[in-house]
Amino acid sequence: GAVVSQHPSRVICKSGTSVKIECRSLDFQATTMFWYRQFPKQSLMLMATSNEGSKATYEQGVEKDKFLINHASLTLSTLTVTSAHPEDSSFYICSARTSGATEAFFGQGTRLTVV
Amino acid sequence: DAKTTQPTSMDCAEGRAANLPCNHSTISGNEYVYWYRQIHSQGPQYIIHGLKNNETNEMASLIITEDRKSSTLILPHATLRDTAVYYCIVRARGSGYSTLTFGKGTMLLVSP
Repeated sequence: GAVVSQHPSRVICKSGTSVKIECRSLDFQATTMFWYRQFPKQSLMLMATSNEGSKATYEQGVEKDKFLINHASLTLSTLTVTSAHPEDSSFYICSARTSGATEAFFGQGTRLTVV
Repeated sequence: DAKTTQPTSMDCAEGRAANLPCNHSTISGNEYVYWYRQIHSQGPQYIIHGLKNNETNEMASLIITEDRKSSTLILPHATLRDTAVYYCIVRARGSGYSTLTFGKGTMLLVSP
């Protein structure tokens, strides 16, 4: 299957700072990327969907000014958690698909810890 | 998408078959049954999907009942590395793409 790479795999940041997470499609053009969040012992929750070159569409309850998503190229999307707080500590996962495809592929996830 | 019901957890001995059930009694005619798994601290991994016929690939087999209201994922010879949360997801698979909605899944623990 296609490869989606996330970086970093783990990050610890201080409360009030911003953290950027990268999601790259390594061997295909990702026209659409999805960002999920997973709290401990819970399931994945979709945060937002982004199409290359367009503004992201956020799910209800997700603050677009706090979780900045950029999808400026066909192989890279970034999620920036701004002014991070301890409650933002979570496992963030991206997935990506190419135009016309009915399946998306997942990255390995990023563990964010805000202290 | 139709809702699914899975047991919270299951145990399996290494080398034995793991049979993971899923109920999807409200599934509609154009909805497929998908299975993903998530090993601890990793992203989800696609396993298999099917519409109404039984399916098999190198990872698992999928048995769907004739009325399509339930299915079973079978890992024929479970290994310790199969310990993971297994998600049964029902979604339409026509033109375009529909996002995956994850439930709580089944935590499969494979023991020596």
